[in-house]
Amino acid sequence: GAVVSQHPSRVICKSGTSVKIECRSLDFQATTMFWYRQFPKQSLMLMATSNEGSKATYEQGVEKDKFLINHASLTLSTLTVTSAHPEDSSFYICSARWDRGQTEAFFGQGTRLTVV
Amino acid sequence: GQNIDQPTEMTATEGAIVQINCTYQTSGFNGLFWYQQHAGEAPTFLSYNVLDGLEEKGRFSSFLSRSKGYSYLLLKELQMKDSASYLCAVMDSNYQLIWGAGTKLIIKP
Repeated sequence: GAVVSQHPSRVICKSGTSVKIECRSLDFQATTMFWYRQFPKQSLMLMATSNEGSKATYEQGVEKDKFLINHASLTLSTLTVTSAHPEDSSFYICSARWDRGQTEAFFGQGTRLTVV
Repeated sequence: GQNIDQPTEMTATEGAIVQINCTYQTSGFNGLFWYQQHAGEAPTFLSYNVLDGLEEKGRFSSFLSRSKGYSYLLLKELQMKDSASYLCAVMDSNYQLIWGAGTKLIIKP
């Protein structure tokens, strides 16, 4: 099956610093990548949808200046959490697909972000 | 608005059968997915239903009734490793996944 690699799996950063999370599709071209966050015991919350070569579409309530998404190629999307604060601590997960009607979303391993 | 409902938590015994229900109201329908998620890990795909009926895959089966906006995931011969959260998600008319809050399944010996 298709593989999506997300890095890093865990990161601890100081409040006020920025953190970049990478999401790569290893064996397919991802025309669309999705970024989710998940708080403990809660469901996935879609943050934004990114299509290769165009600006990401952010969900309501998600600050685009704080969560910078770049989908520069068909195999790589990055999420940068800028000026991180403790409330940004969460589990961030990316998923990717190559076709709109795809019957499965392929997920990265997730990134546990802790802001201290 | 769009809504996916599933029970918060269920408990079952090793070797038994458990059914996890999911009801949905979405703008459009392009399929319903079930994912398994162990704590601290990303979801893994279990099943996809787009037509009414039962899809069987080993110990896991998934059922869909589009007219009722209803699905269930059936797990047979439960094993301890099946302890996880089970997420129901519907793909809407924009091909976007709408996620339920997940059902935490606890398996007891």
